[in-house]
Amino acid sequence: QKEVEQDPGPLSVPEGAIVSLNCTYSNSAFQYFMWYRQYSRKGPELLMYTYSSGNKEDGRFTAQVDKSSKYISLFIRDSQPSDSATYLCAMTGGYQKVTFGIGTKLQVIP
Amino acid sequence: GAVVSQHPSRVICKSGTSVKIECRSLDFQATTMFWYRQFPKQSLMLMATSNEGSKATYEQGVEKDKFLINHASLTLSTLTVTSAHPEDSSFYICSARGEAIRGVNEQFFGPGTRLTVL
Repeated sequence: QKEVEQDPGPLSVPEGAIVSLNCTYSNSAFQYFMWYRQYSRKGPELLMYTYSSGNKEDGRFTAQVDKSSKYISLFIRDSQPSDSATYLCAMTGGYQKVTFGIGTKLQVIP
Repeated sequence: GAVVSQHPSRVICKSGTSVKIECRSLDFQATTMFWYRQFPKQSLMLMATSNEGSKATYEQGVEKDKFLINHASLTLSTLTVTSAHPEDSSFYICSARGEAIRGVNEQFFGPGTRLTVL
């Protein structure tokens, strides 16, 4: 079993839709949870960063962490074509290596 | 925000040659740099972790004699792929972490280097 599971998609949604991206994990030591966005042939860029359980909102993006279920989510409201990218979840227990999900490819159709 | 650059962005080389990739933190001191490899439709795979002034720590299965890492300063790390072969063709991405950046475990990624070995 992989430490981090993420559906690779692709996920296609119409412009304006609410997008829900998810990851599950098995390592209970993970405490820091991140979401990265990666455009084709580019390096990942950090979108959201959350410590432990709870919600965090930044503009159209909301990150949720449920440590009891070992489940994290990223919601994108009012999705735009420019949101089309691959979204990677990532997590770590601290000053250790970060474990990434495989990434979900999202396409927002105008 | 913290910026990490990589050079070159793309390189094509013949089998058997060595290729050096540079990773620089432009506006912060990177106490730790990470090197990842990403094959098509696969996740980022950590190859090695390097701390300034010390030897790199390689992940299991990564040949340290083939992938030479030098973290000579707080702003520069290099990855040299020695005697490259076609199976080494991949997208190599570095990331950097600085203690002064928020004080948390946040990595900033470079734009990546696409290596193609003929």
